[in-house]
Amino acid sequence: GESVGLHLPTLSVQEGDNSIINCAYSNSASDYFIWYKQESGKGPQFIIDIRSNMDKRQGQRVTVLLNKTVKHLSLQIAATQPGDSAVYFCAEGRGGSNYKLTFGKGTLLTVNP
Amino acid sequence: EAGVAQSPRYKIIEKRQSVAFWCNPISGHATLYWYQQILGQGPKLLIQFQNNGVVDDSQLPKDRFSAERLKGVDSTLKIQPAKLEDSAVYLCAGAGVADTQYFGPGTRLTVL
Repeated sequence: GESVGLHLPTLSVQEGDNSIINCAYSNSASDYFIWYKQESGKGPQFIIDIRSNMDKRQGQRVTVLLNKTVKHLSLQIAATQPGDSAVYFCAEGRGGSNYKLTFGKGTLLTVNP
Repeated sequence: EAGVAQSPRYKIIEKRQSVAFWCNPISGHATLYWYQQILGQGPKLLIQFQNNGVVDDSQLPKDRFSAERLKGVDSTLKIQPAKLEDSAVYLCAGAGVADTQYFGPGTRLTVL
């Protein structure tokens, strides 16, 4: 069946280190991918997205890499800060405009000061 | 720019009771989504609106859940009657022409 999953349910890093959160997807028809950050008691917050015609996209301190060959998505956070501690979800979308997103379970990132 | 508004933030009810949640997306966002997020899981889509019309409600348990967006702006999601397994956070998201979905803070529902 179609699914979006994460390789690691938890990730603990030291402040200042770089973090890499991985995600696998199974639907080759997906053409839109997005990362969200969710802090406790809050709704998911948009971080960065990427379309299937791209391999890499950079934002402020974040980079998303897409490998369509192995259906893999990763989120890299540079110089991780305590405020980055949260659950990170990847989601895949398909269907032209007004995408319907399928979310994975999430990875809990803990940043140690 | 104001964010997505949802109310109430918390609700506790007993099983078989009814409950309603309200959402107002960012101004101009024609597409509105309701998601259910069970503890420890990612959000799961319940229903998608485009303006005041339903685009996809295939995952909405229609025997007990209903939703409307009569004027294409704010929306209400209702559960009647509630079951224990409905305990979750109900998230609303809106999207404009750029496809990115922006989420509200959610309503945490506890069914006793």
